[in-house]
Amino acid sequence: TQLLEQSPQFLSIQEGENLTVYCNSSSVFSSLQWYRQEPGEGPVLLVTVVTGGEVKKLKRLTFQFGDARKDSSLHITAAQPGDTGLYLCAGEGGIIQGAQKLVFGQGTRLTINP
Amino acid sequence: DTAVSQTPKYLVTQMGNDKSIKCEQNLGHDTMYWYKQDSKKFLKIMFSYNNKELIINETVPNRFSPKSPDKAHLNLHINSLELGDSAVYFCASSQASGGHYGYTFGSGTRLTVV
Repeated sequence: TQLLEQSPQFLSIQEGENLTVYCNSSSVFSSLQWYRQEPGEGPVLLVTVVTGGEVKKLKRLTFQFGDARKDSSLHITAAQPGDTGLYLCAGEGGIIQGAQKLVFGQGTRLTINP
Repeated sequence: DTAVSQTPKYLVTQMGNDKSIKCEQNLGHDTMYWYKQDSKKFLKIMFSYNNKELIINETVPNRFSPKSPDKAHLNLHINSLELGDSAVYFCASSQASGGHYGYTFGSGTRLTVV
């Protein structure tokens, strides 16, 4: 069974600080996706990383896929209150007849205090 | 236009009842999914359909029966509801053909069984 562990599960910091969220597994994934979920809404895809060692930037968010494609990190620079939300990593175990089977981590609930 | 829409948003029902949740996507995606999110925000796949064909069927009680009348719709019918079925159910869709495109989620249906 493929499992993804996210850490920390909860993080509360002040506006302007930097933070990193980690997503780790003992399994290799075809890709690693990061989602953000607001209360009462579904997760929204932020980024997909596919190649081992890949780094992608989305404004103040930097995503990295581990060399062995077993782990990933999300780094936020100068966090803002608008970054508050539940961040979920999801590993793609493969594509079965067109269906991507994603395994989700348990999420990191991030709160940025003004 | 909502890309993936689910109805109803909230569903409160008594144990033993039968209920359905509907999902429609207007993205032209071939693959649709049902996920269950528990009270700890853990998302777990239940079913996946590709162009009306059942592809993924995780270990889900057979009280849950998905139905896909066409590739834009995937409904979930639940028989003999139990207290443990209370959760948020998310419908999602993805583009098939082997790309790591990620999911587009609906906004969820919060099911409460009393």
